[in-house]
Amino acid sequence: GAVVSQHPSRVICKSGTSVKIECRSLDFQATTMFWYRQFPKQSLMLMATSNEGSKATYEQGVEKDKFLINHASLTLSTLTVTSAHPEDSSFYICSAIAGSLKFFGPGTRLTVL
Amino acid sequence: QQQVKQSPQSLIVQKGGISIINCAYENTAFDYFPWYQQFPGKGPALLIAIRPDVSEKKEGRFTISFNKSAKQFSLHIMDSQPGDSATYFCAASKGHGNKLVFGAGTILRVKS
Repeated sequence: GAVVSQHPSRVICKSGTSVKIECRSLDFQATTMFWYRQFPKQSLMLMATSNEGSKATYEQGVEKDKFLINHASLTLSTLTVTSAHPEDSSFYICSAIAGSLKFFGPGTRLTVL
Repeated sequence: QQQVKQSPQSLIVQKGGISIINCAYENTAFDYFPWYQQFPGKGPALLIAIRPDVSEKKEGRFTISFNKSAKQFSLHIMDSQPGDSATYFCAASKGHGNKLVFGAGTILRVKS
């Protein structure tokens, strides 16, 4: 089946720094990728829809200047958390569409000290 | 506004028993209803999905039952095993390629 990878799997950073998370579709091309955030013991909340070659579409309440999304190619989307703060600590998960199915990456655990 | 309501929040089932998780949706435009399984520290994995033109879909030990008039769908795990212990999420979307709205999740524990 289709595989989606994320890098890094976990990252710890200091408050005020920026962190980039990569999402790759390994054996298929994805024109659309989605970024989710999941707090402990909670559901996945969609942050934004990333479209190759165009600007991302952000969900209500998600700051686009804080969570920068770049979908540079059909196999890569990146999420940059700028000026991270402890409240940004969460599990970030991307997903990509392959045909009629959505596949999720393994997630990235971000801890902001 | 929670568009997909999932219950129960947690569930304990004996090995070999049937696990049942229920979801209800509000938006009648939804036409794709997948179930995902998530283990701690991992991303969700697609288990099974259904479209509203079908009332039931079975894949191995997993069955989705769909009631369009009631706007409800449920996941049944037959012969539940300890390895099934995970968090299960129902979801819904308008079409396959559109954004998913997730339920709150159900933590399933299968006791051996």
